[in-house]
Amino acid sequence: DIQMTQSPSSLSASIGDRVTITCRASQDIIDYLAWFQLKPGKAPKSLIYAASSLHSGVPSKFSGSGSGTDFTLTISNLQPEDYATYYCQQYKTLPFTFGPGTKVDV
Amino acid sequence: EVQLLASGGGLVQPGGSLRLSCAASGFTFENFAMSWVRQGPGGGLEWVSMISGDGHTTYYADSVRGRFTVSRDNSGNTMYLYLQMSSLRVEDTALYYCAKPYASGTYYSFDHWGQGTLVTVSS
Repeated sequence: DIQMTQSPSSLSASIGDRVTITCRASQDIIDYLAWFQLKPGKAPKSLIYAASSLHSGVPSKFSGSGSGTDFTLTISNLQPEDYATYYCQQYKTLPFTFGPGTKVDV
Repeated sequence: EVQLLASGGGLVQPGGSLRLSCAASGFTFENFAMSWVRQGPGGGLEWVSMISGDGHTTYYADSVRGRFTVSRDNSGNTMYLYLQMSSLRVEDTALYYCAKPYASGTYYSFDHWGQGTLVTVSS
């Protein structure tokens, strides 16, 4: 199975900050990389697919980059609604696997 | 509007069984492979199972293979995704989500998720 790691595991940021989360795959996944936002009690929200493509309705403050094994999610101008846990996922190979998550809080 | 509504969770004893359902609407259901993903008490996400659009091909995580069975109903006015869970273990305790991929085919990530249904396995 492809192992996914994320760093940091948590971070504290202020309103208006720009934050960057890193995701690394244990082998080349080309650009089969997605990012999700999870908040307690809410359905997960899909943010990015194919490493850098935004899903419909996702604001441009979210951006993704990378290819191969190293990827990043950047959130610009952090707002209260962005405080959540973010997960990366590879979907190049079954079983699809997720990173352990990065919690973004105040 | 795509809607996924999961149900069927509950409290079950180890070794017991449970059937989850996910009612799908707002898209051409039979064109999409559908997945179940779970979130354990620690917060981590685990892909559990996937079924092809026509229902003929199924995939499972090693942790559930042989105990869980995914199926779907592409007929009727409301389309359904199911997950039959047997020989349940304490470690199967999780919030179970149904998820739709962003495109037809197998190797695509998800664009829509259901709200989740909680399964608790405990004596």
